[in-house]
Amino acid sequence: DVKVTQSSRYLVKRTGEKVFLECVQDMDHENMFWYRQDPGLGLRLIYFSYDVKMKEKGDIPEGYSVSREKKERFSLILESASTNQTSMYLCASSLGHPTGAFFGQGTRLTVV
Amino acid sequence: QKEVEQNSGPLSVPEGAIASLNCTYSDRGSQSFFWYRQYSGKSPELIMFIYSNGDKEDGRFTAQLNKASQYVSLLIRDSQPSDSATYLCAVLNQAGTALIFGKGTTLSVSS
Repeated sequence: DVKVTQSSRYLVKRTGEKVFLECVQDMDHENMFWYRQDPGLGLRLIYFSYDVKMKEKGDIPEGYSVSREKKERFSLILESASTNQTSMYLCASSLGHPTGAFFGQGTRLTVV
Repeated sequence: QKEVEQNSGPLSVPEGAIASLNCTYSDRGSQSFFWYRQYSGKSPELIMFIYSNGDKEDGRFTAQLNKASQYVSLLIRDSQPSDSATYLCAVLNQAGTALIFGKGTTLSVSS
């Protein structure tokens, strides 16, 4: 089974802090993704990466950056956390061909 | 902006009935379509994908695709209370690099 593991299930951070969300997959997938999920807004793509050190902006990249130094690890960085970044963050990975993406368990981030 | 539209529901069906979930998409060039199930408080779980026009069956689930009408559906036969969840439709973008999700339809199966 594909395993996508996010480093934290719940996080509480203060406004202005730099926040790191980590994601690791164990299936040698080329593609990795970060989404956020909010009630009424659904899943929205923040960033994705199709190879090591490659990254592409999704629909809502503002206030976020990413890092992919190794194939199995994809990090989401909130440069200066704000309350409107309180959300469920979901990491996913997929093979290079379109067989669908597999999600981690999610990180519920609260910014106070 | 490419869009994927779903009726938010809730869709309520009795146990044993057929549940029909629908999805439309705006990008005519889309080639791959996915259905995910998400239980409350959990992450989405892939249940089916379909690439070709017509029907694809997997157990109690059938995905139906009509590219001319830009329409994809999911039928759940013999619905069970354990099927109660939010069902997300997703479409692969033309570049084949990322999934675009609908907002989901909430299904409630009553025993």
